[in-house]
Amino acid sequence: KAGVTQTPRYLIKTRGQQVTLSCSPISGHRSVSWYQQTPGQGLQFLFEYFSETQRNKGNFPGRFSGRQFSNSRSEMNVSTLELGDSALYLCASSRDGTGYEQYFGPGTRLTVT
Amino acid sequence: QQQVKQSPQSLIVQKGGISIINCAYENTAFDYFPWYQQFPGKGPALLIAIRPDVSEKKEGRFTISFNKSAKQFSLHIMDSQPGDSATYFCAASSLSGGSYIPTFGRGTSLIVHP
Repeated sequence: KAGVTQTPRYLIKTRGQQVTLSCSPISGHRSVSWYQQTPGQGLQFLFEYFSETQRNKGNFPGRFSGRQFSNSRSEMNVSTLELGDSALYLCASSRDGTGYEQYFGPGTRLTVT
Repeated sequence: QQQVKQSPQSLIVQKGGISIINCAYENTAFDYFPWYQQFPGKGPALLIAIRPDVSEKKEGRFTISFNKSAKQFSLHIMDSQPGDSATYFCAASSLSGGSYIPTFGRGTSLIVHP
């Protein structure tokens, strides 16, 4: 069974640009969560989607947004990129959306210059 | 404000030794406590988790000890192996909108020398 896949794996953007990251959950999983991982702030929750609805949102500015499609695939978008947005962005999926067992993808490494 | 405090930041043990990582939390709304293991270039992987109604949970060489009154929990890795060398994150989760949302500790980098 294929795991969570994220594309692209690496991305370099310039300050002020916007970026879209993609996540394909494990087949049959209905919930997708996004996390930001940085050396300074550690692992932080961004948002969670279940059946195309955002159920939870972390403490991030409105520049960070996401969506989930009917096939459970998810995208997150960051607009007006700042240097501090450089991070590893991780996607995790779970089957039943309880959050008990989350399976993480390898992440997208975003560098903002 | 760091809601989940994890220590130590780094840990070096010899093969066969016991690795102990500690976490503490303040928010009593947390009621699910998973531990994750992360290897370089990979996403975190769920290792073991505990609910506050039990004081200990063991899975193979990994044991979580939980002290509800002290709001502390710890991961013990028995007979540590070089393959256990990784970064370990504790998390404390609270229920929101039907899902447990984790707050992570800052991580512990474990190195097991052969």
